[in-house]
Amino acid sequence: QQQVKQSPQSLIVQKGGISIINCAYENTAFDYFPWYQQFPGKGPALLIAIRPDVSEKKEGRFTISFNKSAKQFSLHIMDSQPGDSATYFCAASSRTDKLIFGTGTRLQVFP
Amino acid sequence: DSGVTQTPKHLITATGQRVTLRCSPRSGDLSVYWYQQSLDQGLQFLIQYYNGEERAKGNILERFSAQQFPDLHSELNLSSLELGDSALYFCASSVETDTQYFGPGTRLTVL
Repeated sequence: QQQVKQSPQSLIVQKGGISIINCAYENTAFDYFPWYQQFPGKGPALLIAIRPDVSEKKEGRFTISFNKSAKQFSLHIMDSQPGDSATYFCAASSRTDKLIFGTGTRLQVFP
Repeated sequence: DSGVTQTPKHLITATGQRVTLRCSPRSGDLSVYWYQQSLDQGLQFLIQYYNGEERAKGNILERFSAQQFPDLHSELNLSSLELGDSALYFCASSVETDTQYFGPGTRLTVL
């Protein structure tokens, strides 16, 4: 019940395309859903986060879509760029428990 | 810069040896987390400390131990090192259970 399932494991997108990464969870107590971006050899960095009181949050080219009833959330990267090539982790936490991370998605954006 | 510092950046040692990794959390953060990331793998949660006390334990080997000191910095001790312990080790810190801020990591190479 504490798992966060992330898919796909890897994703190849052409420059200018839309990258979509999906995550699903079981624990209905989760109330915070961040996405992290990690470049090779670097630490993961917070990219964007959402709480369940909204269904969508947009920051620049990055959008989180949240479906509370389906217990799913996704990251959309619009107009994907080669500089977006990185590993993306979704995560979830509750007020009483730490972040649980998904298994990661390796995104490659080709020119 | 996340505000979390880790030393050393790189560590090369031999099998059977013991090493200590150090982490200083962001100012004001009481929680410290340790993660292991092997090549092209996800984030394996090892252990969490909150204000000096162990809060949660993940897939941490018995050969590994950690502690958090009164000034809130933390150390991860790895002993009887094996080739398979070669990995990136990340420390993260947080105020509560939501956003974790990651350090730059320590790359451990066991020869």
